[in-house]
Amino acid sequence: GQNIDQPTEMTATEGAIVQINCTYQTSGFNGLFWYQQHAGEAPTFLSYNVLDGLEEKGRFSSFLSRSKGYSYLLLKELQMKDSASYLCAVRDRAGGGNKLTFGTGTQLKVEL
Amino acid sequence: DAGVTQSPTHLIKTRGQQVTLRCSPKSGHDTVSWYQQALGQGPQFIFQYYEEEERQRGNFPDRFSGHQFPNYSSELNVNALLLGDSALYLCASSLRGASGNTIYFGEGSWLTVV
Repeated sequence: GQNIDQPTEMTATEGAIVQINCTYQTSGFNGLFWYQQHAGEAPTFLSYNVLDGLEEKGRFSSFLSRSKGYSYLLLKELQMKDSASYLCAVRDRAGGGNKLTFGTGTQLKVEL
Repeated sequence: DAGVTQSPTHLIKTRGQQVTLRCSPKSGHDTVSWYQQALGQGPQFIFQYYEEEERQRGNFPDRFSGHQFPNYSSELNVNALLLGDSALYLCASSLRGASGNTIYFGEGSWLTVV
């Protein structure tokens, strides 16, 4: 089975940096995904990690430590439009393909 | 190149009724998974189809069933609808056994049960 934990809510200031953490316990591991989801919309892909280390893509970066079962999503130069739910998801080895286990999501509120 | 398409976008059903949701995978993809996302929760895996068979199933009752057609499109059927079935239903497609970031989600179908 899989267990994924992430904070329920976070608040940050426009222009600042925020780090959203995700810890997971899995029977297998074949990649960790981060998605952004605005209210009333479908999730959109942000990042993917399968090896340890940092993946950077513009204002977004994601880090993975497989030995610690830990990942974080780093958002820089926050903008108001970054207010959304951020979902951490793990693909286990058994499932592969498009079977993901999601956390409950972290609702990020960006304030002026 | 069309991505994953789902229909209908929104629908309202009455308790006890049945509903069918449809998904066309991204061109070239052969594997489809369905997810249920209740308000304030992350998506929950329902089942996965490839080669027209259900290959894996999450913790959902038998009221949830599906089908995959030879063209890889898929349907999700829910019988005897309950109020708790109200949710966003997402379809994801990929190539069987694919690794890396090759998962594409559709825009979802919003189901309201009254």
